[in-house]
Amino acid sequence: QVQLVQSGAEVKKPGASVKVSCKTSGNTFTSYYIHWVRQAPGQGLEWMGAINPSGGSTTYAQRFQGRVTMSSDTSTSRVYMELHSLRSEDTGMYYCARDAPTSGWPTFDSWGQGSLVTVSS
Amino acid sequence: DIQMTQSPSSLSASVGDTVTITCRASQTISRYLNWYQHKPGKAPNLLIFGASGLQSGVPSRFSGRGSGTDFSLTISGLQPEDSATYFCQQSYNIFRTFGQGTKLEI
Repeated sequence: QVQLVQSGAEVKKPGASVKVSCKTSGNTFTSYYIHWVRQAPGQGLEWMGAINPSGGSTTYAQRFQGRVTMSSDTSTSRVYMELHSLRSEDTGMYYCARDAPTSGWPTFDSWGQGSLVTVSS
Repeated sequence: DIQMTQSPSSLSASVGDTVTITCRASQTISRYLNWYQHKPGKAPNLLIFGASGLQSGVPSRFSGRGSGTDFSLTISGLQPEDSATYFCQQSYNIFRTFGQGTKLEI
């Protein structure tokens, strides 16, 4: 069973940046895309973007374009999500999730435990 | 982007009841529709893939149906542990948008 382990909670001031990591266990790191999803307090799940760890190509949701950077490090089996110009509305839980087929259908079959980001002055 | 509209946003039911949650896509997505269960403090958990496939280990009281733009998740014989928020998600393209979620209280 693959495991995704995320970095710990962060507290940032408005205007700062935060970088969250997601480490994948096993030897399948470059085989599957990793997506990032966030949940603001009292809100639903919001898809932020995805990265192909093999090669590093990225796709971002339009509302995060220009403010998010996703990257990968194959030597440590980690992907990173950096969000810039933070504002209070960015407070929330950030999850990484593995995009893998389940019986041939694309799914998020494994998730990280979540990283809480708090933006406060 | 494909918009996913889920309803209702919340519902309350009793143990043993049957409930249905619906999800509508803004364009046809064939059967590229997944359902997740999300409990506070935990990561979301895959329940249904490909609109109607039951994920391994998920109780058979969960079922999904639909294709094209209209989908549903039905939970039969509700149990206390089914109290959670349920999300639909399209997997038709890389922009994996979610529905707004349905909070189910037992």
